[in-house]
Amino acid sequence: AQKVTQAQTEISVVEKEDVTLDCVYETRDTTYYLFWYKQPPSGELVFLIRRNSFDEQNEISGRYSWNFQKSTSSFNFTITASQVVDSAVYFCALNGANSKLTFGKGITLSVRP
Amino acid sequence: GAGVSQSPRYKVAKRGQDVALRCDPISGHVSLFWYQQALGQGPEFLTYFQNEAQLDKSGLPSDRFFAERPEGSVSTLKIQRTQQEDSAVYLCARSLGVATIYEQYFGPGTRLTVT
Repeated sequence: AQKVTQAQTEISVVEKEDVTLDCVYETRDTTYYLFWYKQPPSGELVFLIRRNSFDEQNEISGRYSWNFQKSTSSFNFTITASQVVDSAVYFCALNGANSKLTFGKGITLSVRP
Repeated sequence: GAGVSQSPRYKVAKRGQDVALRCDPISGHVSLFWYQQALGQGPEFLTYFQNEAQLDKSGLPSDRFFAERPEGSVSTLKIQRTQQEDSAVYLCARSLGVATIYEQYFGPGTRLTVT
């Protein structure tokens, strides 16, 4: 069975602070993919990143960076210099051999001006 | 958008009514997924199709839920005799394939409220 745990439920920061969203996963599959999605107040899930289980290189995209550590089964997401527009619910998800996405419960991020 | 349109965006149904939710992905994406998102929760898998074939329906919560994609493009999720616990956002997603490597792109969802 697959499981994704996002232990943080709500985070509130002031604009320009850095913030890290944690994600821990469980799977028995040797090949799997990890994802982050953003769900702004409008409700539509927006794809942010995909990472496969064989690639532990960290990735940076503008203010966003992701740290994948297989040894701790974690795939954490950092937003540098947060902005008000980053306010949303962020979901970590796992896709294993069965092609179904398993989502965590999400982290609500509020960025205050 | 993400190349997936869903209709209606909002649906209010009285308990016991049947509802039909529509998903229309852009062409060329063979796979289509349905998820249910309860308030304050992450989406949960319901079912998926590769073209017109329904490959997995293990997430459908009861036999009141039925999904189809007869021509491999538009899909309909039908809920019969709606119950209050069916109230949720129903999300449809498209993907280039069913393999795990492909990301899924989501539509805006249909918010179903059963009164």
